[in-house]
Amino acid sequence: AQSVAQPEDQVNVAEGNPLTVKCTYSVSGNPYLFWYVQYPNRGLQFLLKYITGDNLVKGSYGFEAEFNKSQTSFHLKKPSAFVSDSALYFCAGKRDDKLIFGTGTRLQVFP
Amino acid sequence: KAGVTQTPRYLIKTRGQQVTLSCSPISGHRSVSWYQQTPGQGLQFLFEYFSETQRNKGNFPGRFSGRQFSNSRSEMNVSTLELGDSALYLCASSLDETGGDEQYFGPGTRLTVT
Repeated sequence: AQSVAQPEDQVNVAEGNPLTVKCTYSVSGNPYLFWYVQYPNRGLQFLLKYITGDNLVKGSYGFEAEFNKSQTSFHLKKPSAFVSDSALYFCAGKRDDKLIFGTGTRLQVFP
Repeated sequence: KAGVTQTPRYLIKTRGQQVTLSCSPISGHRSVSWYQQTPGQGLQFLFEYFSETQRNKGNFPGRFSGRQFSNSRSEMNVSTLELGDSALYLCASSLDETGGDEQYFGPGTRLTVT
């Protein structure tokens, strides 16, 4: 079965420190992978995607993600976290026109 | 461009009733997908419509149905509501010109079933 896993329910980071939100996938073939962010009482906002090519993908708000085929991972990273980055982050994989979401990781950035 | 809009934003219904939710995609987007979001189950795919045809369907009972109109606007209907249908229902649209097109989400409709 195709799936996307986010092993951490919550990640806590001090403001100014680098952050990583983990994602692993189990999608056959060449997966399309996405990161979305959700703020309270809002829909999801697209951050970035990996389709093909360069393994390091840059997205909105200074976020980037690295596609690692051997480890089947697509971790979201940011060099320096802001309090305003605090939100719920979802990793998603697409195969056969279906978008499969991970369970989400709550990022808490402390001042 | 205007984003994805969903109406209504909030809805309270009682068990056994039916409800219709509406979604207007971004202009030019032909694919519309619906998702149910709950604290316990997370984000679950309901169905996807493309050019007025249901192209994909998730694992939900037949009480959940949808349709898409010629202008790409979409509606989702839930009949015989159950308490467990209380959720945030999200609609997303995409160009769908390639498989890698990202989806853009609306703010959602918060449905409460009492």
